[in-house]
Amino acid sequence: AQSVTQLDSQVPVFEEAPVELRCNYSSSVSVYLFWYVQYPNQGLQLLLKYLSGSTLVKGINGFEAEFNKSQTSFHLRKPSVHISDTAEYFCAVSEGTGANNLFFGTGTRLTVIP
Amino acid sequence: GAGVSQSPSNKVTEKGKDVELRCDPISGHTALYWYRQSLGQGLEFLIYFQGNSAPDKSGLPSDRFSAERTGGSVSTLTIQRTQQEDSAVYLCASAAQLNYGYTFGSGTRLTVV
Repeated sequence: AQSVTQLDSQVPVFEEAPVELRCNYSSSVSVYLFWYVQYPNQGLQLLLKYLSGSTLVKGINGFEAEFNKSQTSFHLRKPSVHISDTAEYFCAVSEGTGANNLFFGTGTRLTVIP
Repeated sequence: GAGVSQSPSNKVTEKGKDVELRCDPISGHTALYWYRQSLGQGLEFLIYFQGNSAPDKSGLPSDRFSAERTGGSVSTLTIQRTQQEDSAVYLCASAAQLNYGYTFGSGTRLTVV
């Protein structure tokens, strides 16, 4: 069965510092990978996705993520965070073999400190 | 419409009452999903529709939960005899194709008192 692990429930970081939010998944087949962001009192917004091809994926708001098949990871990074990046971040995975459901991690709360 | 619309945005109900939550997906999106978001527990998959049929109902927590979709568009999630543990944010999402990612609505915050 699919599972997604976000090891860090909360990540505080100072403004303009780099950040990495970790995501690991379990699957024995090819996968699609996603990161979503949820700002306070809003729905989830797609940040970026990996389907195939280059393992380094760039998304909106300066975020990027790298797919590492051997480590079954899809960590999210940003070289310099802003106050406006304070939000909840969710990693999600779907089997790329025709499954039609996304499995989500429990989320990581990123708090950017001025 | 331009996005996924959910109504109501907030619902407070008494324990034991039935509630209906509505989701209006993006026009043309054939896939529709319901998730439940509880504090500190991430997103819990409830049910998925392809057109009007629900190939996967495995996430519905109990037989008090049901959902339907008509005309390949609007979906309603019904919770009968609500319990306090049903309190959560219920999120709906739609997709034209899974590998494009979902588009989520803003959710319905359900509070059972």
